[in-house]
Parts: sequence; structure tokens; C-alpha cells
Amino acid sequence: AQSVTQLGSHVSVSEGALVLLRCNYSSSVPPYLFWYVQYPNQGLQLLLKYTTGATLVKGINGFEAEFKKSETSFHLTKPSAHMSDAAEYFCAATIQGAQKLVFGQGTRLTINP
Amino acid sequence: DAMVIQNPRYQVTQFGKPVTLSCSQTLNHNVMYWYQQKSSQAPKLLFHYYDKDFNNEADTPDNFQSRRPNTSFCFLDIRSPGLGDTAMYLCATSRDGWESLGETQYFGPGTRLLVL
Repeated sequence: AQSVTQLGSHVSVSEGALVLLRCNYSSSVPPYLFWYVQYPNQGLQLLLKYTTGATLVKGINGFEAEFKKSETSFHLTKPSAHMSDAAEYFCAATIQGAQKLVFGQGTRLTINP
Repeated sequence: DAMVIQNPRYQVTQFGKPVTLSCSQTLNHNVMYWYQQKSSQAPKLLFHYYDKDFNNEADTPDNFQSRRPNTSFCFLDIRSPGLGDTAMYLCATSRDGWESLGETQYFGPGTRLLVL
């Protein structure tokens, strides 16, 4: 079955440091990939998505992600963390035949002053 | 500017007392979804409507029902809530359905339900 795996349920970085949140998918067919952010007591907001075309995708709030088919990965990065980036981040995929948005288990990002 | 609106934002109910959660959208999207999200977990899809067509997930308990009286509104009814139904309930919409797999889902702010 297709799945999405996020490595690290908690990630902590210092303000100004690089943010790297890891996401891998398992599928024989490249999926469409999404990163969502969820702030406390709020719904999910789309950061960015990959469908086709350029494999480096830029999103809101300075985030970007690169689709690497050979590594079945879609890691999320931001060059310099800001305190306001503290939130839960979900990687998700829609895969032909899966008929739903499949979520990873989420990564809680903490920013240290 | 709110596009997907959920009411109420917080709901406390007693064990076994029916509760209805509301979702409305101003996007005129065809598809509306209901997710359950328990603490520190990913959202879990309960069901979705493609226009008026209802699609239930295989593992959604019978206790959960949904209604979509028109394009803009969708309701989640929990007929006899149990303690295990305490969760955040998220409504989402998308312009189109699974045939357009790259469609973005737009989420509402959620309703936090507490069953006592």
C-alpha cells in the first residue's frame, strides 16, 4: 500500500538556522506531493505542492521542497528559521488509485531563541 | 475573507448526546471532506462528498453521518458520541475530486470536540 513517512516526529532548530523536514513516500508511480502546516488549534494550510514540471517547488513563508524520484523523497527546507515557523508540518500525497490524500504522521517543529 | 468556515470552534457534549458540526464554504468547490484528527496524529478521512455523491471510508464508524444540503454547506452528525470521539474535526474542500489528483484541499479552522 502507498504510504508517506516523515522522519522525526519532533525537530528543534535555533532561530536563523536551516530547517529540514524529511518526507519519503512509497509508490511505484510518482505521486502528487504536498506540504501542509498546522498552527495550534487551527486547520491545515498549504505550504507548497508538486504535481509535474520543475522538481524544486517554492512555497509560502520562504519554504521550498525538492521532489527526488530516485530517492522517493520530498524534503521541506527553509534557509533561516523564524520563531513564527513553530508549528506541526504534514507531508501528504495523492496517488493514482489511492483515492485519497495520504498524510504522513507529522513533524512538530520547535524554534529555539 | 474566510473561505472554509466551521462552527462551532469548540463543542463540549456528554457521552451519548448527539452533536452536529457545521461547515460552510465560499469557494463554490465541488468536493467537501470531513477529517478526524486526534491529538498528535495526522488527520484521518471520514468521508467526502463529490457534489451530492457521498463517499464513506470503509473504517468510518456508523456513528458518524454527514449531510450536504447544498453546495455551500456540509454537516457532520455524531449520533451517540463516545469518549474516543474527542478530537479535532476538520472540514476541507477542493475544486475537483480524485480525477484531478493535484487539486489542493482547503481546510477550515476545525471544531475541537470534547466528549465527557
